[in-house]
Amino acid sequence: AQSVTQLGSHVSVSEGALVLLRCNYSSSVPPYLFWYVQYPNQGLQLLLKYTTGATLVKGINGFEAEFKKSETSFHLTKPSAHMSDAAEYFCAVSEYNQGGKLIFGQGTELSVKP
Amino acid sequence: NAGVMQNPRHLVRRRGQEARLRCSPMKGHSHVYWYRQLPEEGLKFMVYLQKENIIDESGMPKERFSAEFPKEGPSILRIQQVVRGDSAAYFCASSPSRGLRAGNEQFFGPGTRLTVL
Repeated sequence: AQSVTQLGSHVSVSEGALVLLRCNYSSSVPPYLFWYVQYPNQGLQLLLKYTTGATLVKGINGFEAEFKKSETSFHLTKPSAHMSDAAEYFCAVSEYNQGGKLIFGQGTELSVKP
Repeated sequence: NAGVMQNPRHLVRRRGQEARLRCSPMKGHSHVYWYRQLPEEGLKFMVYLQKENIIDESGMPKERFSAEFPKEGPSILRIQQVVRGDSAAYFCASSPSRGLRAGNEQFFGPGTRLTVL
């Protein structure tokens, strides 16, 4: 069965520092890949997604992610963290012809120190 | 264009009572997904519905849980005889078309936080 692993349940960075949140998936067939952000007591908002084409995907709020098939990874990065980036981040995958249901990682809580 | 609506936002039930969670998808969306988020965990898929049809219920517990998406009105997730382990945040998401061939996004509601006393 497809699974998603997010390394590190908590990541802390200083304001202005690089943000790197790791995501690996288990499928042998490249799935569709997503990163969502969740602010406290709110629903999930899509940051970016990879379906086909260019493997470097740019999203909202300055985030980007690179699909690496050989590493089965889809790590999320942002060059310079902002205080407003503090939130929970979820990586998710969906397989073709599976009805679109999303399989989520366990989440990474990002803290940004002033 | 209003987003996905869920109500109530918070629901408190005593053990053995019934919980009804409602989800109104975005306008023009005919596909609804329900997910459950247990404390300190990621979201887990429960069920996928189209109007009047359950397409995939592989994530639903075998007993006490049911879902519907009638021709008119919101989608309902129903939990009978709730137990403390049902305490969680329940999220609904909607999508304009089936699957992700075109990379269609799922739009999430704010969730219903169920507490079972």
